[in-house]
Amino acid sequence: DSGVTQTPKHLITATGQRVTLRCSPRSGDLSVYWYQQSLDQGLQFLIQYYNGEERAKGNILERFSAQQFPDLHSELNLSSLELGDSALYFCASSVWDSGSTDTQYFGPGTRLTVL
Amino acid sequence: AQTVTQSQPEMSVQEAETVTLSCTYDTSESNYYLFWYKQPPSRQMILVIRQEAYKQQNATENRFSVNFQKAAKSFSLKISDSQLGDTAMYFCAFMNTGNQFYFGTGTSLTVIP
Repeated sequence: DSGVTQTPKHLITATGQRVTLRCSPRSGDLSVYWYQQSLDQGLQFLIQYYNGEERAKGNILERFSAQQFPDLHSELNLSSLELGDSALYFCASSVWDSGSTDTQYFGPGTRLTVL
Repeated sequence: AQTVTQSQPEMSVQEAETVTLSCTYDTSESNYYLFWYKQPPSRQMILVIRQEAYKQQNATENRFSVNFQKAAKSFSLKISDSQLGDTAMYFCAFMNTGNQFYFGTGTSLTVIP
């Protein structure tokens, strides 16, 4: 158990819908990272927040947005869902802002299925 | 743009033997970081080892070591004394100074008893 929690574990929804994935980092961690793992595109970095502020952006679609709240939990919002958005979404946390020296601890992931 | 290539989709090794997983990357940056992550059947992502590009010395973590060849842009992972618990998908990852991560497509490793 990494100490990172993600809810829900599984999510099934229809195309065109909007969902929110939630992540609670390890106690004391200020950074949160979001990743998408799909069969056809592998593991992709989406976005990083540090202490409430966006720090790095990867291949995140405009239909997706994220934020980190004052209590440091983070939410990833996915809207106008398409079949191709079906994937495993990981959240990871680390103590500081440096992805290079900080160990990222991954949560168990949220499995999103879009029908 | 940075790319990470893992050319071995699947590999197998006998228990207690040594195996090397390959990774190459492409970047125009001089300072960056490289990682190997392990994803067992539980799907949990676990950091195996990291390497800073400015360090010439290869990183080691117990049975895991890397062969970092900066000029060749190669970053292979060697697993010694393979154990059944090493069975997993292994991802090579690159991170630039802007904290953006790029992952390879993974190598599925099976340790055979």
